[in-house]
Amino acid sequence: QVQLQESGPGLVKPSQTLSLTCTVSGGSISRGDYYWSWIRQHPGKGLEWIGYIYSSGSTYYNPSLKSRPTISLYTSKNQFSLKLSSVTAADTAVYYCARGGYCSGGSCYLLMDSWGPGTLVTVSS
Amino acid sequence: QLVLTQSPSASASLGASVKLTCTLSSGHSSYAIAWHQQQPEKGPRYLMKVNSDGSHSKGDGIPDRFSGSSSGAERYLSISSLQSEDEADYYCQTWGTGIQVFGGGTKLIVL
Repeated sequence: QVQLQESGPGLVKPSQTLSLTCTVSGGSISRGDYYWSWIRQHPGKGLEWIGYIYSSGSTYYNPSLKSRPTISLYTSKNQFSLKLSSVTAADTAVYYCARGGYCSGGSCYLLMDSWGPGTLVTVSS
Repeated sequence: QLVLTQSPSASASLGASVKLTCTLSSGHSSYAIAWHQQQPEKGPRYLMKVNSDGSHSKGDGIPDRFSGSSSGAERYLSISSLQSEDEADYYCQTWGTGIQVFGGGTKLIVL
């Protein structure tokens, strides 16, 4: 069973770039047809998809975030990362990484079947 | 536009059964969805995938009390023999080309 763990600064200043890393254990991030996702949850609110990266390196992002996110794979470390630029207080949230899907039998299923515990990021000066 | 609609809240008594609904937007009634559970102060946990034909496949360790079904554009999560730990937020989630979408979530209260 794959396990995921988020890490990174818990406090980021406005206008700076939020940087988080997700470390994957129990399976290789570069093997197989897998998707790796970032999701966030504002305090007291629902889940918001940020973006995903496919094992090939292709990426897709939530259009509402207006080109601010960048997701990258680091296969040698079995990690993937999220950078979110030009943050404001509205980016304060718990950030989750997840295995965001898989391909099997010619079809792909972009569902989050393993989640990290989440990490709170506060944007404040 | 791919949208999932959930009722904000539901309630049922301890030991009873409950059926939560997730509705796919017009034109997307053939889509599969996933259900996720988020207990208070915890991260989400994957429960199952529900296909348009009503078949479902559960995640590791998910009890038999949890099951899924479908009818048209609606996808359901049924929970029987409700326990106190089932009190949680339940989110449905689906996907399209280059996009992943969550419903707004249903808060289940166990009375």
